[in-house]
Amino acid sequence: NAGVTQTPKFQVLKTGQSMTLQCAQDMNHEYMSWYRQDPGMGLRLIHYSVGAGITDQGEVPNGYNVSRSTTEDFPLRLLSAAPSQTSVYFCASSPSGANVLTFGAGSRLTVL
Amino acid sequence: GEDVEQSLFLSVREGDSSVINCTYTDSSSTYLYWYKQEPGAGLQLLTYIFSNMDMKQDQRLTVLLNKKDKHLSLRIADTQTGDSAIYFCAESPDTDKLIFGTGTRLQVFP
Repeated sequence: NAGVTQTPKFQVLKTGQSMTLQCAQDMNHEYMSWYRQDPGMGLRLIHYSVGAGITDQGEVPNGYNVSRSTTEDFPLRLLSAAPSQTSVYFCASSPSGANVLTFGAGSRLTVL
Repeated sequence: GEDVEQSLFLSVREGDSSVINCTYTDSSSTYLYWYKQEPGAGLQLLTYIFSNMDMKQDQRLTVLLNKKDKHLSLRIADTQTGDSAIYFCAESPDTDKLIFGTGTRLQVFP
C-alpha cells in the first residue's frame, strides 16, 4: 500500500513554462485535494474533488487546473508558471469528505 | 470568512509540557483537527475532537475545546525531542473543505 504518491519531488521552472504535478492514491479514496504551503501562511486549498469527474475550486485556484478522470489520479496543472507559484505542493485524500486526510510527501516547485 | 490562527513558534525543554493554541472562526465546524508535520514530510493526523466535546485525551496528548471563545489547544505531556515538528490545527466549515492554520513550529531542547 503506497498511500498517496506525488511526483516529481522537486522541479525548477522558468516563468511561462507549463507543467503537471502528479498525484496518485491506491486506497480507493473518493476525496482528493491539492494544497500549497508557504512560510507563515500555512496550507491553502487550491482545488479538490469529491469523486471521479467532479472537481471544485478552493481558496487559491487561480493559475491552476485540475481534472479527475479516475478515482486514483488527481493531477495539478500549471499552464503558465509564475514566480508567485513557487511553493511546496501537497496532495491529500480521504475516503469521503475533507476530514481525516492522508497526505503525500510533497512536491517543491521553484519558478524563476 | 474562515480564518484559523496560531502562534508561529514554541520552544520547550525536554520533559516539560507543551501547549499549542489555536483560534478559529467557523462555529459550524463539526470536528476540529490537529495535524503534525515532521521536516521534509507531509502532514499526518495527530488527533481530532468532536465539536460537542470539551476535552479529549489520547496518551500524552490532551485537546481542549472552548466553543464559546472558539479556542482549541493541544497539550503534549512529557515533551520529547521527537515531538519537534510543525503542528497545524484545522477546522472544517463544510464537509468538502479543511482550513488549516498557519502552523506552530515546536522546538524541543535538552
